[in-house]
Amino acid sequence: GAGVSQSPSNKVTEKGKDVELRCDPISGHTALYWYRQSLGQGLEFLIYFQGNSAPDKSGLPSDRFSAERTGGSVSTLTIQRTQQEDSAVYLCASVGSSYEQYFGPGTRLTVT
Amino acid sequence: RKEVEQDPGPFNVPEGATVAFNCTYSNSASQSFFWYRQDCRKEPKLLMSVYSSGNEDGRFTAQLNRASQYISLLIRDSKLSDSATYLCVVRINDYKLSFGAGTTVTVRA
Repeated sequence: GAGVSQSPSNKVTEKGKDVELRCDPISGHTALYWYRQSLGQGLEFLIYFQGNSAPDKSGLPSDRFSAERTGGSVSTLTIQRTQQEDSAVYLCASVGSSYEQYFGPGTRLTVT
Repeated sequence: RKEVEQDPGPFNVPEGATVAFNCTYSNSASQSFFWYRQDCRKEPKLLMSVYSSGNEDGRFTAQLNRASQYISLLIRDSKLSDSATYLCVVRINDYKLSFGAGTTVTVRA
């Protein structure tokens, strides 16, 4: 079946602009995570959504970052007033019934 | 102390060798354990879940030691294609997951 998809695959933006990153999880998966990964670094947890519960936003680095999940499916991560330190790969993961995570291919964000 | 710690390596081994490495976790209430592999500039992919009794998948063997709070991964008969970063993932509760920073393995011809 279809896996997790993310769009865009690459995004170059100017410092100060807003960006929206999209994640389409696997159908039927109730939990979804956003992570980011800088070059050569480990995964940094940003936020997770579980069903209709309030999201765990504890990993968001600043109030410029926000995320929503509409209808329990598609999720968007928004970064306002982007900074150069926001440059990273943003990964979305959809979670199966045994807690295994299926990652999308990521969005590579470059802030110039 | 980090919730999940891994030896970053790199482990450089010749083809056909056996390589093994561990991951320690700090929360004794951790419930599930996984190994993922991540190739350069790619997303992580699930390699295997780790069960209490230990489990094997082809050339890969995973073990869990709850008393000492670590999991291990052993790769037998290494192939060039095994070169990757191996991430340890621990489920703390519900959907809270912690990732290790990864162990890099390089298999040389």
